[in-house]
Amino acid sequence: NAGVTQTPKFRILKIGQSMTLQCTQDMNHNYMYWYRQDPGMGLKLIYYSVGAGITDKGEVPNGYNVSRSTTEDFPLRLELAAPSQTSVYFCASSSTGTSGTFKYNEQFFGPGTRLTVL
Amino acid sequence: AQTVTQSQPEMSVQEAETVTLSCTYDTSESDYYLFWYKQPPSRQMILVIRQEAYKQQNATENRFSVNFQKAAKSFSLKISDSQLGDAAMYFCAYRRANFGNEKLTFGTGTRLTIIP
Repeated sequence: NAGVTQTPKFRILKIGQSMTLQCTQDMNHNYMYWYRQDPGMGLKLIYYSVGAGITDKGEVPNGYNVSRSTTEDFPLRLELAAPSQTSVYFCASSSTGTSGTFKYNEQFFGPGTRLTVL
Repeated sequence: AQTVTQSQPEMSVQEAETVTLSCTYDTSESDYYLFWYKQPPSRQMILVIRQEAYKQQNATENRFSVNFQKAAKSFSLKISDSQLGDAAMYFCAYRRANFGNEKLTFGTGTRLTIIP
């Protein structure tokens, strides 16, 4: 298993440009997440998805969009890049327990995408 | 809202010695999970150890152990016999233990340096 993969590893954007950060997992996890990590800070949740076709906002969703058409893929879209979006972006995935019970399942992280907006 | 605070931006320890990293959190929930993640220069987030709030026994993973004080909302990480490979950023994280809410809340991290 490759786990969680992200592309690209690095990207420089000009202000106002758009791009999509790709995230794929091959563990058949139903939950997927996008976090951003600003310099010297912890990770903050941008969006998450509990399954194909279902997404919801996290702490810092402004300026981003997501979609989840398949279990494996969870792309993050930046429509009008701004310098404030300069950050490292992490995708993660996890599975859940059986209905009616709770079982902790670890979040597996991708290697991150370093994005700079100039 | 839940918050996680790491008050030590940087720590250093001599190789083979023991170091403790501090973490406090704020929550009104009674059931939750706490984690320590390691982030080496490669940026990969690696789960080091986790603690279930309903368990009184402190979690241990080889050289890593925690001191979980639920009443004080404190969750420190002890690294014994420090090795050069332990050098990294360490993040404390919190998650509610309810089904369908998997969001992790992270602290700002502690950079750990190992002195040879």
